[in-house]
Order: sequence, then structure tokens, then C-alpha cells
Amino acid sequence: NAGVTQTPKFQVLKTGQSMTLQCAQDMNHEYMSWYRQDPGMGLRLIHYSVGAGITDQGEVPNGYNVSRSTTEDFPLRLLSAAPSQTSVYFCASRLDSTHEQYFGPGTRLTVT
Amino acid sequence: GENVEQHPSTLSVQEGDSAVIKCTYSDSASNYFPWYKQELGKRPQLIIDIRSNVGEKKDQRIAVTLNKTAKHFSLHITETQPEDSAVYFCAASISYRTGGGNKLTFGTGTQLKVEL
Repeated sequence: NAGVTQTPKFQVLKTGQSMTLQCAQDMNHEYMSWYRQDPGMGLRLIHYSVGAGITDQGEVPNGYNVSRSTTEDFPLRLLSAAPSQTSVYFCASRLDSTHEQYFGPGTRLTVT
Repeated sequence: GENVEQHPSTLSVQEGDSAVIKCTYSDSASNYFPWYKQELGKRPQLIIDIRSNVGEKKDQRIAVTLNKTAKHFSLHITETQPEDSAVYFCAASISYRTGGGNKLTFGTGTQLKVEL
């Protein structure tokens, strides 16, 4: 199993550009989530999904969109990048609400 | 929604001493409580978890205790070693009876430093 994979590992964007962070898992997990982590900060939930076709907002959803068309993939779209979105983004998945959540390796995004 | 508070934010101990990190949660329906360790520049990784049907769980030098009445849970690390230095996060999760489960709510993290 590859576990949770994320691409790209690093990305630099200019203000106003859009892009999609990719996330995939091969563990047949129903639950997937996106977090951002700013320097010295904790993990803040952006969006999450409890199954294909079902998504919901976390605590910091503004400026981000998600969709879940398959169990395996959960892409995160930045609509119009802003410097405040400079952060490390982690995708995560778990079987259900009482099992271990696995994190991807992260994407380091810089918006100039 | 669920709120998880974690203390202390930083903790410095001498090698060989014990370290204790405490978390409280707000929703009495929470029933799953994992602890994650994050080393610098790496992803968070699960080190131990506990479900609400038990009060304590131990794995070698690491233990977690849960007090459902008081709505708090703690991480205990004994005989600390330099490689235990990292950021530790607690979290809480709820299983709803209908509509599936929901999000995992994290505490703000504790920077543990084990000094030689």
C-alpha cells in the first residue's frame, strides 16, 4: 500500500493564481480530510468528506473548494491564491470515526 | 461543535524523567481519542489511541488515560529520551448513530523538549 499520497510536494504561486492539490489513498478509507498547518501552529481543518459525493466544511474553508467523486481521491482547489494561504497542507484519511487517521507527506505552498 | 484544549503548550524535561500532557474536550458524545507525534518537517503520526469503553491504555513507555466524567484525557511518557522531542497533538472524534461519523478535532499541540 502506498497509503496517502499528495502532489506536488512544493509549490509556489503568485497571488490570484489557482491550482489543485492532489490527494489519493489506496486503503479504501471512507473518511478524508484536508488540514493546513502554519508555522508553530496546530492543524486546522479546511474540508472533509465521509464518503464519495459527500463533503463538508471545516473551520477554515474560505478560499478552498473540494469534491469527492471517488473513494480514492480528494483534491483541494485554491480558487484565487492569497499570501494568507501560504502554509503546509496535509491530506488525511481513515476508515471511520474510531480508527487511526493517516496523514499524507504534505504540500508546502508559498503564495507571493 | 467539539472543542479540544491542550496543555501545556511547551514542556521541557530532563532525559529519564516523565512527561504528562493533558487535554479536555467539550462534547460528551466523543468516543475516540488519538495522540499524534509530529517531528520537525514531517507528517503527524499516531502513537497511541483510546476508545471511550476503556479508561487506560499502555504501550511500552507511553500510556493514555481517559476520564469520561471529567471529559479529559492525558498522555504519559515515562523514561523520556531525546528522540521523544517533538510536537504532540491530542484529538477527539464522535461517531454519530446516523449519517456516519464526523471530523477529528485536534488540540493546539505541545512542544516537548527532552534535555540531556
